[in-house]
Amino acid sequence: AQKVTQAQTEISVVEKEDVTLDCVYETRDTTYYLFWYKQPPSGELVFLIRRNSFDEQNEISGRYSWNFQKSTSSFNFTITASQVVDSAVYFCALSESTSGTYKYIFGTGTRLKVLA
Amino acid sequence: DTGVSQDPRHKITKRGQNVTFRCDPISEHNRLYWYRQTLGQGPEFLTYFQNEAQLEKSRLLSDRFSAERPKGSFSTLEIQRTEQGDSAMYLCASSSKNTEAFFGQGTRLTVV
Repeated sequence: AQKVTQAQTEISVVEKEDVTLDCVYETRDTTYYLFWYKQPPSGELVFLIRRNSFDEQNEISGRYSWNFQKSTSSFNFTITASQVVDSAVYFCALSESTSGTYKYIFGTGTRLKVLA
Repeated sequence: DTGVSQDPRHKITKRGQNVTFRCDPISEHNRLYWYRQTLGQGPEFLTYFQNEAQLEKSRLLSDRFSAERPKGSFSTLEIQRTEQGDSAMYLCASSSKNTEAFFGQGTRLTVV
């Protein structure tokens, strides 16, 4: 069965702290994609990153970095030097190729609160 | 192109009424998705279109729900005989093949 688990329901940090959001997934497919989306209070899901199952190279984009480890089925997201504007709900999602639709299976999200 | 747009942004309706939502995807995207998100949960897949063909429907999509995408452009999602349990945010997304999905701002439905 396909499943995405975000065990951290809510995290609070003080501005400038680093924070890591965890994501663990389950899939039987060998070809799949993993995503992170940010949902600010306005409600729109904002795309952050896509990773395919064959590319385990970690990625850094500014203050954001992602650690993909197939051995532990994890795709964790780290924000360095957090800012108040990072406050949002963050969703990890899985998309599989065999279904043909590439529909997303989302985790339940992690609410990040960055305090000034 | 300004992205995926949804209309209306908010809808309050009485139980038993019918409601219809509209989604305009990014123009070059042939894939369109509807998701439903309830408070504190991640979005759940409802249905998927490739061009005008509806290729998959979730078990969440009861007989009271119907979606269309005439001519493979905009899409509508209709809920008939609304129930309080239908209260949620309805999200539309579009994508090209093998690319990430871009989401609209959603339609928040409240059934009273």
